[in-house]
Amino acid sequence: DGGITQSPKYLFRKEGQNVTLSCEQNLNHDAMYWYRQDPGQGLRLIYYSQIVNDFQKGDIAEGYSVSREKKESFPLTVTSAQKNPTAFYLCASSSLSAGQGNTGELFFGEGSRLTVL
Amino acid sequence: AQSVSQHNHHVILSEAASLELGCNYSYGGTVNLFWYVQYPGQHLQLLLKYFSGDPLVKGIKGFEAEFIKSKFSFNLRKPSVQWSDTAEYFCAVNAQAGTALIFGKGTTLSVSS
Repeated sequence: DGGITQSPKYLFRKEGQNVTLSCEQNLNHDAMYWYRQDPGQGLRLIYYSQIVNDFQKGDIAEGYSVSREKKESFPLTVTSAQKNPTAFYLCASSSLSAGQGNTGELFFGEGSRLTVL
Repeated sequence: AQSVSQHNHHVILSEAASLELGCNYSYGGTVNLFWYVQYPGQHLQLLLKYFSGDPLVKGIKGFEAEFIKSKFSFNLRKPSVQWSDTAEYFCAVNAQAGTALIFGKGTTLSVSS
């Protein structure tokens, strides 16, 4: 089945530690995204990438880092500089093909819930 | 900058009641509009989308939405809700394929049987 796989589903970390969340897709999509979901805040964009070895900051990039070494992979590192890292993190991907009706619909993974102790 | 506003934070309905969730966006150009749903414990799923043509779009599970360009609105409707519609609903917009979606803060719908 094609889709997006995020791991781990649940993660606990101590303050001051970096943690990396994995996101893999087998949809052959060019673009990948990381969002953060907090209660009452909706989804806020952290980073996105439209092509390998290139990525752009979203609205809340501070304290996060990403890499895009392969088309199918877009890991997110939550660094110790992120002041409030406890959240639900969602990875998504979309096609960039110029086909009619391609609106850039996002396909989402099941999310990773990070808790900082 | 684009933004999306969802008017209702939490809506509580009884089964068979009609539903309308408001969504307004701010952007001057052509947009693509989406409604996503997140059922408890599940991942976000696309309910419906609008990119051009008929402003009344139909989605899965009996949902529909109407794009009113003059009002910058894309409200979600369902004539008769079911208990299984209990979920969080997100409105989103982008300017073109490949650009990130901008999401509203979401509306939690609780349906009692």
